[in-house]
Amino acid sequence: EVQLVQSGVEVKKPGESLKISCKVSGYTFNSHWIGWVRQMPGKGLEWMGVIYPGDSDTRYNPSFQGQVTITADKSISTAYLQWSSLKASDTAMYYCARNQKMWIPGGNYYYYMDDWGNGTAVTVSS
Amino acid sequence: QSVLTQPPSVSAAPGQKVTISCSGSTSNIENNHVSWYQRLPGAAPKLLIYDNHKRPSGIPDRFSGSKSGASATLGITGLQTGDEADYYCGTWDSSLSAVVFGGGTQLTVL
Repeated sequence: EVQLVQSGVEVKKPGESLKISCKVSGYTFNSHWIGWVRQMPGKGLEWMGVIYPGDSDTRYNPSFQGQVTITADKSISTAYLQWSSLKASDTAMYYCARNQKMWIPGGNYYYYMDDWGNGTAVTVSS
Repeated sequence: QSVLTQPPSVSAAPGQKVTISCSGSTSNIENNHVSWYQRLPGAAPKLLIYDNHKRPSGIPDRFSGSKSGASATLGITGLQTGDEADYYCGTWDSSLSAVVFGGGTQLTVL
C-alpha cells in the first residue's frame, strides 16, 4: 500500500525558516516524481513543483521558483519543502503527492498526482 | 484567477447525475491530458480520473471523464451524499511550464 506521511502542524513567525517533510512507503521512492501542492485558506490547489529522487532533477512552477526549495533524501524515502524566510502569505495547507509524468503523442507531457499525503498545515503569524 | 475555469458550485439530488465542466485553452487542455481530483471535507485530494477518462483502481464507474477541444467534463451518476466534495480539474500548461488547476467546484447533493 502506498503511503505518504507528512510532518505535523507548524506555527511560525514571519522571517523564520521551515522545512516540512513527506515520508513515503509502498513504492520505489527513487523511480517516481514527488512534489508539493499548496492550498491557501478558502482557495484552490496550486502545483508548486516536483523532484525526481533518483537524480534530484527538480522542476518548479515559475510562480514558486526562488520562494521555496524542494529536496529529497533517498536514504530515508523522504521529500522536503523548505522556506528560508516565511511570510504571512505562506499560510496554507501543503500536500505532498506522487506525480506520474506521462508523455503523449506530439511530444507533450503532463503530470497527474495519484497518491497524496495527509497535508501539513502551516500558519505564519506575528 | 485560475487558469482553468470551473463553475464554483453544482448541485443535484441523490441518485441523479451531475456534470462539472473545465474550460482551458490551446496551451493546456487542448493539447494535453486532463486529470480530476476529489477533495472531501477535511481530507486530502484524491485522484478520480487521469488521461482524460481513465479511472484508477478503486474508483467506481459512476465517475467518468471526457475531453473535447479545450474543455473537459467530469460526470458523476447515481449521486450519493458521500459525493459532497470539492472537485478540481488539472493539466499541464506548456506556456506556464506548470501543472494548472481549475478553481474547484463544490458539489452539493441535496
